[in-house]
Amino acid sequence: QQQVKQSPQSLIVQKGGISIINCAYENTAFDYFPWYQQFPGKGPALLIAIRPDVSEKKEGRFTISFNKSAKQFSLHIMDSQPGDSATYFCAARDAGNNRKLIWGLGTSLAVNP
Amino acid sequence: DVKVTQSSRYLVKRTGEKVFLECVQDMDHENMFWYRQDPGLGLRLIYFSYDVKMKEKGDIPEGYSVSREKKERFSLILESASTNQTSMYLCASSPRGRQGLNGYTFGSGTRLTVV
Repeated sequence: QQQVKQSPQSLIVQKGGISIINCAYENTAFDYFPWYQQFPGKGPALLIAIRPDVSEKKEGRFTISFNKSAKQFSLHIMDSQPGDSATYFCAARDAGNNRKLIWGLGTSLAVNP
Repeated sequence: DVKVTQSSRYLVKRTGEKVFLECVQDMDHENMFWYRQDPGLGLRLIYFSYDVKMKEKGDIPEGYSVSREKKERFSLILESASTNQTSMYLCASSPRGRQGLNGYTFGSGTRLTVV
């Protein structure tokens, strides 16, 4: 049973467009929600993260939107660039289970030039 | 530049061999993790360690063991490699007390093929 459900599995966006990746969860013990970016041949790297007491966090072209009541959060990439082509993982920290990170299955993003 | 170093990028082993995957971090992190990554299955936690000489099972520990004799080094051991253990293995570390908050630092991975 996937505790963090991520969609879509893959996404193709034109350069300059907006990329949107969504994640949903059920466990109310989750207390921190990071997004990781992974390029081919590399390990994932922390991109941006949010706590549940905030509804939005923006860092450059990357924004997390968080809806606590709906138990959903999403990553928006504005003005998407070919260099953003990567796999994106959402995750949630489980405060009730040794604060382990629970991962979504990932979204493969391709930004066409 | 802080980093997590995995000893091999590519490894080919025969079925039944004992395989050691090594991971070293230079950030003085207390927490270390081993994941495997397979297409469509995301990142699955094999084992983790919060301190030297301690270990805890993750979600898929069967067929694996770990060793953490020094703070900076966390080894993953495949006792008897099987073809279904062909995968990308990722090591990660994070500081204690802020687990996840500062982010996990991942190595570049070891792609293991068992033939």
